[in-house]
Amino acid sequence: DIVMTQTPLSSPVTLGQPASISCRSSQSLVHSDGNTYLSWLQQRPGQPPRLLIYKISNRFSGVPDRFSGSGAGTDFTLKISRVEAEDVGVYYCMQATQIPTFGQGTKVEIK
Amino acid sequence: QVQLQESGPGLVKPSQTLSLTCTVSGGSISSGGYYWSWIRQHPGKGLEWIGYIYYSGSTYYNPSLKSRVTISVDTSKNQFSLKLSSVTAADTAVYYCARLGPELDFDYWGQGTLVTVSS
Repeated sequence: DIVMTQTPLSSPVTLGQPASISCRSSQSLVHSDGNTYLSWLQQRPGQPPRLLIYKISNRFSGVPDRFSGSGAGTDFTLKISRVEAEDVGVYYCMQATQIPTFGQGTKVEIK
Repeated sequence: QVQLQESGPGLVKPSQTLSLTCTVSGGSISSGGYYWSWIRQHPGKGLEWIGYIYYSGSTYYNPSLKSRVTISVDTSKNQFSLKLSSVTAADTAVYYCARLGPELDFDYWGQGTLVTVSS
């Protein structure tokens, strides 16, 4: 299985300031079809996960443009340009290039 | 908008079979193009993919659970189901159903249902 490792595991952020989460995969996520199936999910407290970003950098419908994704190969990043109170929660990276696996999650909280 | 809703017992005894159903609304399972999935989350922990099914009945399971998992689909009811046999306390988790889209992302999720394994 592909192991997904996120850093940091916890990220205290001041409202209005940026936040960044890294995700590294144990092997390349480039699929044989040329796509990279790396997505990011947000899980607010008491809620199911919600898709934010798919295929590295594509925002899902309704996701604010303060969320952005980047990366390639084995290294990926989720950035929040200006953290808002509603962004508190746990963020997961996920790969589906092989059988789906998730990162361990990064908790974003307000300082 | 597609909506998914899990249903089933919240308490299962050890060694028995966990059974859950996911009802899909706002879209037809039979329309194709999507894989209908089960994912679980142990209390306070991360996410684990269990498996998924295509409307045709083709299934794909996590190798770590494959010997105990069966996922089936009932297109007439727009539902798909999970059976997990020989459960132990380690199977206590919130179970989610979700849709895997063409971009291989889980784009819609149910609210989740907590299943506790205890005598």
